[in-house]
Formats: sequence, C-alpha cells, structure tokens
Amino acid sequence: GQQVMQIPQYQHVQEGEDFTTYCNSSTTLSNIQWYKQRPGGHPVFLIQLVKSGEVKKQKRLTFQFGEAKKNSSLHITATQTTDVGTYFCAGRGSGTYKYIFGTGTRLKVLA
Amino acid sequence: GAVVSQHPSWVICKSGTSVKIECRSLDFQATTMFWYRQFPKQSLMLMATSNEGSKATYEQGVEKDKFLINHASLTLSTLTVTSAHPEDSSFYICSAEDSTDTQYFGPGTRLTVL
Repeated sequence: GQQVMQIPQYQHVQEGEDFTTYCNSSTTLSNIQWYKQRPGGHPVFLIQLVKSGEVKKQKRLTFQFGEAKKNSSLHITATQTTDVGTYFCAGRGSGTYKYIFGTGTRLKVLA
Repeated sequence: GAVVSQHPSWVICKSGTSVKIECRSLDFQATTMFWYRQFPKQSLMLMATSNEGSKATYEQGVEKDKFLINHASLTLSTLTVTSAHPEDSSFYICSAEDSTDTQYFGPGTRLTVL
C-alpha cells in the first residue's frame, strides 16, 4: 500500500537557523497537504499543493511539490521558538479519497 | 477557519465497557469525515472513512465490529469503541473535509481503559 516517509525524524536548530523537512511517497500523489501539530495539540492545516512543481509561500514557510508528484518539502527560514512542533505531510494517492500521513518531523528550536 | 469539535476530550473507562466519541463540524457540512488514531510521538493512523448516509470504509487491520462508526448527518460522525480493553487506550482524532478537500481536525479524545 501507499507509504509516506518523512526525513528527518527529529531536528534541533538554534533560533534563527533554517529548517527543512522532506516528504516522500511510494506512489504518485494527486495532492499533498502539510500540517503542524504542537505538543499536546491536534494537527492544524497549513497548506495544500496540487500541481506538479508547485511552490507556495506563507511568510517564512516555503512549500514545494515535486515534478513527479511523489515528494514534497517544507522549508522554514529563520526559525522562531513558535515554530516548535511536529510537521506532517499527508498525501492523497491518485484515484483515492483518503490521505496517508507521513511519519512526521519533530522540530525543536533552541533559544 | 472551519471548526470541528470532538466530545469528550478525555475519557477513562473500565475494561469491557463501550465508549462513544462524537465529531461535529460546527460551521460547514462535511460529506466525509475521517477517524484517526495516534499513539504517543507517532504519526496519525487512518482508521476509517465515514461517509454521510453510507457505511464507513475501514482500513486494513481495523476491526469494524470493534470500532463502530456512524455518520448520521452532514455535521456529525460518531465512533464507538466497543468492549474496550487497555490496548485500545490511545488518542483518537477526527477530521472533517470541506468542499476544497481541506481537512479540519477536531481537538482529539484521549481514551484510557483501565
């Protein structure tokens, strides 16, 4: 079945450093979503990417969907302590209705 | 943004009892709702997809007789954990999908079975 892996599993950065998490699917995706989950909280929707090669920005966050629609990345510029949490990608396979969540990347930002 | 509520937020029950969890989309209609399970420090595992007016679609390995799902209206889905056992203790999260395929998650329900 469809599998979605994320790397790295954990990342500790100093405040102000950049951060990137990568998401890789075993199958081609129709679209991909990114979520952030704070400790003790529930996932919060960040963005959805649909088109091959699509790039979207939200302030310091840059999201990219690969040309083959099998991978995606989230890049945070100049991290802040408020960026702490686990970032999940969730991919919807072509011809399916459901999203499979990636393994997640847990980000810690050291002040 | 859209709001999804879940009730209860936490529940402690004795082994062998059944627990019902409600998931409501408060300001939009959701034809599809999803139920996930999350173990500590792990990802979300899709349990089933709930479609209004039809039977839920369960993921492989999820017992449909154990986890009963009912999607009675466009704003309400329920998950009943029947004859709960300690291994069913987990964080259960629902999500409701709007017309743009965006999933909005409920705050989750932490179930502890003694």
